[in-house]
Amino acid sequence: QVQLQESGPGLVKPSQTLSLTCTVSGGSISSGGYFWSWIRQHPGKGLEWIGYIYNGGTTHFHPSLRSRIIISVDTSKTQFSLNLGSVTAADTAVYYCARGVAGTGDSFDFWGQGTLVTVSS
Amino acid sequence: SFELTQPPSVSVSPGQTASITCSGEKLGDKYVSWYQQKSGQSPVLVIYQDTKRPSGIPERFLGSNSGNTATLTIGGTQAMDEADYYCQAWDSTAASRVVFGGGTKLTVL
Repeated sequence: QVQLQESGPGLVKPSQTLSLTCTVSGGSISSGGYFWSWIRQHPGKGLEWIGYIYNGGTTHFHPSLRSRIIISVDTSKTQFSLNLGSVTAADTAVYYCARGVAGTGDSFDFWGQGTLVTVSS
Repeated sequence: SFELTQPPSVSVSPGQTASITCSGEKLGDKYVSWYQQKSGQSPVLVIYQDTKRPSGIPERFLGSNSGNTATLTIGGTQAMDEADYYCQAWDSTAASRVVFGGGTKLTVL
């Protein structure tokens, strides 16, 4: 059973960079056919896809966030990471990492528990 | 831009059938997934590729997709099915992105 776990600061100051890591267990992050993804949920709102990384380093991002995002993978640690720069209060959300499955319309079959990140001075 | 539209809320009596719709342009040409999110929990995939159920998802969860509308049907709805439900598809236009519907709150009265 694949498990994902987010980690990182719960509080980030405006204009700084939000950095989160997702640790994957129970499966190989190097396996083909999967998109290692970040998704967020603003308080009381719906889900918003942020982006994902696959094939060891190819990335794809939400168009509205593309200029501020870096997603990277460390296969030796079975981790992938999100860096979101120049944050504002609008980036306050629960951030989830998830595994997307290729060929299924990018369905996300395993999710982390989510971590709340608050942007505030 | 490609968007997915869901009703904000649906109510159903225990044991009855609940239907949650998801609308988008030419949605029937895309694969649709559905997620269940209970209060304070992470989303759970309940339907993928329009009609398929992941292991462990009860058979009362059914999906369909045709034309501009995908539908999640829950037969014999139980109190444990009360949750927010989100549809999701891939936007293959120039935007090229994953899109989620706004979510539907299912209330089991």
